[in-house]
Amino acid sequence: QSVLTQPPSASGTPGQRVTISCSGSSSNIGTNTVNWFQQLPGTAPKLLIYSNNQRPSGVPDRFSGSRSGTSASLAISGLQSEDEADYYCAAWDDSLNVWVFGGGAKLTVL
Amino acid sequence: QVQLVESGGGVVQPGRSLRLSCAGSGFTSSNYGMHWVRQAPGKGLEWVAVIWYDGSNKYYADPVRGRFIISRDNSKNTLYLQMNSLRAEDTAVYYCVRDPDDYFDYWGQGTLVTVSS
Repeated sequence: QSVLTQPPSASGTPGQRVTISCSGSSSNIGTNTVNWFQQLPGTAPKLLIYSNNQRPSGVPDRFSGSRSGTSASLAISGLQSEDEADYYCAAWDDSLNVWVFGGGAKLTVL
Repeated sequence: QVQLVESGGGVVQPGRSLRLSCAGSGFTSSNYGMHWVRQAPGKGLEWVAVIWYDGSNKYYADPVRGRFIISRDNSKNTLYLQMNSLRAEDTAVYYCVRDPDDYFDYWGQGTLVTVSS
């Protein structure tokens, strides 16, 4: 049972916009910034979004992040087949003094 | 370019110990916090431990606290994870990750630890 709650799966067709949610609490997302990671099959995770909505250099602007209250969202616009991957959110938890991850959402491009 | 290369994984019996290393290059390690994150086969990511840039603070996930020790040698740009009293549930790929300022920007390729008799 993960501290951050993500839907286990998401899907869309090429060109569509999809969003993946990440629900937490006042001690994690409500207080601290959210990171998002993409893990392609058989590879190490890669940073996609940091500080709620910042993209590292090299990450396409099709990927965007937002935070509202104790929840965060990752949006992917102009969906492409190569976006098929697992997506994870993470944040520091002030009450537990640990980093917490979501359980991951598997994105399928139909 | 930034590289993180883990080593030290392998097959170990329950109750035994193992030490993982992570060699960094392309950056000055003393400027960054460092994490270990693991992933059990077919499962999601699980944070394990963090050590501050100067080693002054360390935090651990509940399942490993008291059994694992994170440390670093900035003169060698190397991060370590001493894993004691290993259990079957510690079986996972272990990643080392760089942290510039409360985010995980570079990940190593991971090293597999299998705890089995």
